[in-house]
Amino acid sequence: AAGVIQSPRHLIKEKRETATLKCYPIPRHDTVYWYQQGPGQDPQFLISFYEKMQSDKGSIPDRFSAQQFSDYHSELNMSSLELGDSALYFCASSSSWDRNYGYTFGSGTRLTVV
Amino acid sequence: QKEVEQDPGPLSVPEGAIVSLNCTYSNSAFQYFMWYRQYSRKGPELLMYTYSSGNKEDGRFTAQVDKSSKYISLFIRDSQPSDSATYLCAMSALPGGGADGLTFGKGTHLIIQP
Repeated sequence: AAGVIQSPRHLIKEKRETATLKCYPIPRHDTVYWYQQGPGQDPQFLISFYEKMQSDKGSIPDRFSAQQFSDYHSELNMSSLELGDSALYFCASSSSWDRNYGYTFGSGTRLTVV
Repeated sequence: QKEVEQDPGPLSVPEGAIVSLNCTYSNSAFQYFMWYRQYSRKGPELLMYTYSSGNKEDGRFTAQVDKSSKYISLFIRDSQPSDSATYLCAMSALPGGGADGLTFGKGTHLIIQP
């Protein structure tokens, strides 16, 4: 079965650079979520989109922005990177028709800021 | 105090044993409860999803929710070395999480000894 695809798998950036993370949800899933997981930490909710519109906003820094495109893929744009942004970034998707079944995470993008 | 408390372990048990993993929470609005399994450097994988109180069984896994005690459990029967992973509980007041996303526990690191 198709899963949530994230790219790139690994990314190394220097401080103050920008990064773009991509997420391709499961086909026919209309909702995308972004989570950040620091080393040894539980995932923290950043932002979500439903039908290409921002749905909910969590602890996403102002330096970050995200959007969902017409094909439902989503991108997380991160600017002025800081060392503390080093983390695993997960995307998850769900269907508004099937919200009773939790949602599916991708394998994540490991961002390292040096 | 964190909204969701989960013993980080590590919890080490012999192969074939019954494993009990638990989370307690403080937010009485939580109605949707999930258990995720996460292997090192991988995304969380949804194991069980329950709504409100009660039990749910799927193969070797049983999830229990006791809303009156604000306590959820995951039981793994006939544990296998391949079950060795970090188990995260997650919960929300709304399907999909709403403005707060899912609230995760810190995760319990489980080791099944062959």
